[in-house]
Amino acid sequence: QQQVKQSPQSLIVQKGGIPIINCAYENTAFDYFPWYQQFPGKGPALLIAIRPDVSEKKEGRFTISFNKSAKQFSLHIMDSQPGDSATYFCAVANAGGTSYGKLTFGQGTILTVHP
Amino acid sequence: NAGVTQTPKFQVLKTGQSMTLQCAQDMNHEYMSWYRQDPGMGLRLIHYSVGAGITDQGEVPNGYNVSRSTTEDFPLRLLSAAPSQTSVYFCASSYGGGTNEKLFFGSGTQLSVL
Repeated sequence: QQQVKQSPQSLIVQKGGIPIINCAYENTAFDYFPWYQQFPGKGPALLIAIRPDVSEKKEGRFTISFNKSAKQFSLHIMDSQPGDSATYFCAVANAGGTSYGKLTFGQGTILTVHP
Repeated sequence: NAGVTQTPKFQVLKTGQSMTLQCAQDMNHEYMSWYRQDPGMGLRLIHYSVGAGITDQGEVPNGYNVSRSTTEDFPLRLLSAAPSQTSVYFCASSYGGGTNEKLFFGSGTQLSVL
């Protein structure tokens, strides 16, 4: 039973494009929605995170859009660069104050940005 | 500042062998966790710990054992390796709550079980 479904599996864009990665979840108890970025041979690193009390959060070129009623959230990368080529994971948690490091991850999206 | 250190980086085992994957963090984080990463399945939680002496199971705990005797160390033991345990294993430590929460991952251990 997949608690979070991520799409697409892979994505290719040109430099300057705006890739969008989507995640859908079922459990309405989830209240913490981070995105992690992973480069080959490295561990994932936190990119940006959102709580369900806001519908959008921006950090630099990265934006999370959150739709509570649809139980979906998305990552948008503005003005994408070849250096953004990586695998992106969404995650969910029933965190309350903290998730204690217990995240449920999506399947991952391999993003390639061509120069 | 080393962060989260995992050893070894690569390991090949034969079916039935046992081994311990080491994980150490130098950030004084309370929470530590082990994940495995398989193609098309994302990362799945194996075990986690909320402090020294306190551990609990995650989504896929079978075949694995953990203990946490100190804040810094959180080793993962494979009791009797099986080919299904071929995977990349990541240890993470974390702190905080709300949107300030952040998991710090090690660089992983690639394990092959023949």
